[in-house]
Amino acid sequence: EVQLVESGGGLVQPGGSLRLSCAASGFTFSSYEVDWVRQAPGGGLEWLSYMSTSGNSIHYADSLKGRFTISRDNAENSVYLQMNSLRAEDTAVYYCASLWELHIWGQGTMVTVSS
Amino acid sequence: QTVLTQPSSLSASPGASASLTCTLRSGINVDTYRIYWYQQKPGSPPQYLLRYKSDSDKQQGSGVPSRFSGSKDASANAGILLISGLQSEDEADYYCMIWHNNAYVFGTGTKVTVL
Repeated sequence: EVQLVESGGGLVQPGGSLRLSCAASGFTFSSYEVDWVRQAPGGGLEWLSYMSTSGNSIHYADSLKGRFTISRDNAENSVYLQMNSLRAEDTAVYYCASLWELHIWGQGTMVTVSS
Repeated sequence: QTVLTQPSSLSASPGASASLTCTLRSGINVDTYRIYWYQQKPGSPPQYLLRYKSDSDKQQGSGVPSRFSGSKDASANAGILLISGLQSEDEADYYCMIWHNNAYVFGTGTKVTVL
């Protein structure tokens, strides 16, 4: 079964950091681009970041202002999102996805930023 | 100014057709973009429905019924998702998406209610 499974979410204090992981299975992970998308409670979808198959091409949403970093390990079939300087407005469900060709999404992991 | 604007809600009866619009910001020409459409039900990640650029450049998502179709209204600078023969299971949030300036952009979302 083709799937993406996120982990690493949880409760973090404002100003803190968190690293999300996404494990891929059921397909040749190294052949597909990956993305991170989030959705605040009751809100819409917000794309965060993209990484190409080799990692040579990376893009971020302007709104992140350099606080988040995407990476991938094709040997481990995983993609990561390092999130720093977290704010209350970063509270959301975070999805990893492959939007360009595979059109698949993980189930999401909840991140809550609160003191 | 919002890049992709969708009506916040739409209601229709079972068996009717529903036309969901995704209007691109002035200065962004709908003709040049692939418009992607997603369906999201409560508590679940978005599901890919289809993409549409033209009748010669379109793709239906795997397993997506043919009663979901895409088109464009160039005069309105908008992408359109047409749902024919509405069913109760179509009640969900719908989002459009484009790749614009090295970033994915999601629309504001439309909540479809089947009365």
